[in-house]
Amino acid sequence: DAGITQSPRHKVTETGTPVTLRCHQTENHRYMYWYRQDPGHGLRLIHYSYGVKDTDKGEVSDGYSVSRSKTEDFLLTLESATSSQTSVYFCAIKGQGNYGYTFGSGTRLTVV
Amino acid sequence: SQELEQSPQSLIVQEGKNLTINCTSSKTLYGLYWYKQKYGEGLIFLMMLQKGGEEKSHEKITAKLDEKKQQSSLHITASQPSHAGIYLCGADIENQGGKLIFGQGTELSVKP
Repeated sequence: DAGITQSPRHKVTETGTPVTLRCHQTENHRYMYWYRQDPGHGLRLIHYSYGVKDTDKGEVSDGYSVSRSKTEDFLLTLESATSSQTSVYFCAIKGQGNYGYTFGSGTRLTVV
Repeated sequence: SQELEQSPQSLIVQEGKNLTINCTSSKTLYGLYWYKQKYGEGLIFLMMLQKGGEEKSHEKITAKLDEKKQQSSLHITASQPSHAGIYLCGADIENQGGKLIFGQGTELSVKP
């Protein structure tokens, strides 16, 4: 997606290990979001950021932490991954005007 | 319970038939967004509806926002196999500081 990239795209990790996912934007947007997507649940908000070092919790924040030390990067960390955190993770930025929110391509995380 | 409820959760229609997907909020809506997702892929922005009631159309898809009911509907006319996928409604909930939340999604299948 234009202006927003997620890394890695796929990751398999073991239970108990720390994992960090990265969201990078090139458009200097203030708001950034992390969601997880699971069958039957749509997209659920984990954390979001409204500026550098300004973050807030979403609906399913337990077990996740975030950091935003510069405008372009929003990091999502699973301190100790569990199997229940196996999911597809999407990052989003809030666009201007009537262009809605732009989503990254997603990161498929499997915790074994 | 979810702040945004989508119905139905899944839908199978014959090609050429019309269909409607609904999205109802338990809170005041500041903006309502419709997205489409192909299986295993990212989200494609369809339309944004502003607070105050609005209707927009793009090709064979029309979306409306009923402010009194805090409800939006997405209507597809003469459905085609290319319309198949998951439709998600997202909303800016007033006084939530830029927090975008989503409904559970509606999985649409179109039979040729």
